[in-house]
Amino acid sequence: GESVGLHLPTLSVQEGDNSIINCAYSNSASDYFIWYKQESGKGPQFIIDIRSNMDKRQGQRVTVLLNKTVKHLSLQIAATQPGDSAVYFCAEINSGTYKYIFGTGTRLKVLA
Amino acid sequence: DAGVIQSPRHEVTEMGQEVTLRCKPISGHDYLFWYRQTMMRGLELLIYFNNNVPIDDSGMPEDRFSAKMPNASFSTLKIQPSEPRDSAVYFCASSGDSQETQYFGPGTRLLVL
Repeated sequence: GESVGLHLPTLSVQEGDNSIINCAYSNSASDYFIWYKQESGKGPQFIIDIRSNMDKRQGQRVTVLLNKTVKHLSLQIAATQPGDSAVYFCAEINSGTYKYIFGTGTRLKVLA
Repeated sequence: DAGVIQSPRHEVTEMGQEVTLRCKPISGHDYLFWYRQTMMRGLELLIYFNNNVPIDDSGMPEDRFSAKMPNASFSTLKIQPSEPRDSAVYFCASSGDSQETQYFGPGTRLLVL
């Protein structure tokens, strides 16, 4: 059987600190981006999205930043809580071809 | 709304058996997606439908996999015959239009012995 799996990068932060999760996307034609959160045993859950005509969007405790020049996306979580512990995926979408590409994910661990 | 519903939640079967996974999308959503998630490859898009019509099945691994959407509220993903390497979590997702976010179901965890 398979013994080697994806080695997810892990970010460990203290409860109450801010977290920054990064994602490099691959297709310069992608014009829509989404961050998903996946808790153990569950499906990915929408957190926040941003379109390519914006460089920043804020939600409740979360902010997404988009840098199209270097094809970089980041998710900032303010005052990280234990419930934020999960794997976070970025997704890039080309609305013309409707190609959805998911990143490999980053595991966030919140330390009490 | 109950969200995307998938069944079964867990399936254990023997190699060579037929497996059928089921999905009920969110009511009113026009797009339905099937994904597979493994430790080796992460999340992979297998196929998606728009208004019950398959649009892109380039992610379907091989002829053993097939998907149908007979109506707007039901889709199946079938594997026949199943193999141990098909073991994975299979997610169904739906969205309202091509630029809206996808909402995922809880997944079906498949183990093929």
